[in-house]
Amino acid sequence: DAKTTQPNSMESNEEEPVHLPCNHSTISGTDYIHWYRQLPSQGPEYVIHGLTSNVNNRMASLAIAEDRKSSTLILHRATLRDAAVYYCILMGAGGTSYGKLTFGQGTILTVHP
Amino acid sequence: NAGVTQTPKFRVLKTGQSMTLLCAQDMNHEYMYWYRQDPGMGLRLIHYSVGEGTTAKGEVPDGYNVSRLKKQNFLLGLESAAPSQTSVYFCASCYSNSYGYTFGSGTRLTVV
Repeated sequence: DAKTTQPNSMESNEEEPVHLPCNHSTISGTDYIHWYRQLPSQGPEYVIHGLTSNVNNRMASLAIAEDRKSSTLILHRATLRDAAVYYCILMGAGGTSYGKLTFGQGTILTVHP
Repeated sequence: NAGVTQTPKFRVLKTGQSMTLLCAQDMNHEYMYWYRQDPGMGLRLIHYSVGEGTTAKGEVPDGYNVSRLKKQNFLLGLESAAPSQTSVYFCASCYSNSYGYTFGSGTRLTVV
């Protein structure tokens, strides 16, 4: 399975934008880029996903590099409730990796009031 | 719409006991997954299913069995619990890889 690399931790101030980077240099052409977050003592929560084009939803935006070897999750205005571990994951489209998410260590986001 | 429901939420087992964790989803999802999460770690895939009647091994399948007799249910069994299986277990489902996963709230299992 293709792997992702994320910073161990990041900090932000409340109401400021946050850009969470992810490198995935071995991504295959059919891998989707998924982002999930996990709040303390809760199950992971879907944030956003994309294949090639940038994506926006009510929670965040996903910017995907033209060569797809990196992506950035953008939280436009961080709130205290956004403090969580953020996971960038590649979901394969075929073979043995189909539909499986392989979690790394993620990025611990701290939001300061 | 309940999403993904896991039962029980908490359980304490003695070494050697058996138990079954139930995952139920009401979203008509084809794919279902069982993960475990140890303290300070990311999630690791135990077993998964790509449809009713099918199951496959994930990253850490030893000591676990699964069944998917009905599309909406995915059962995880521990035949002889060991302390190393103390963990938080998460079930997840999705329609396909072009959609996001929905996770359950987890089952906290302690084996003493």
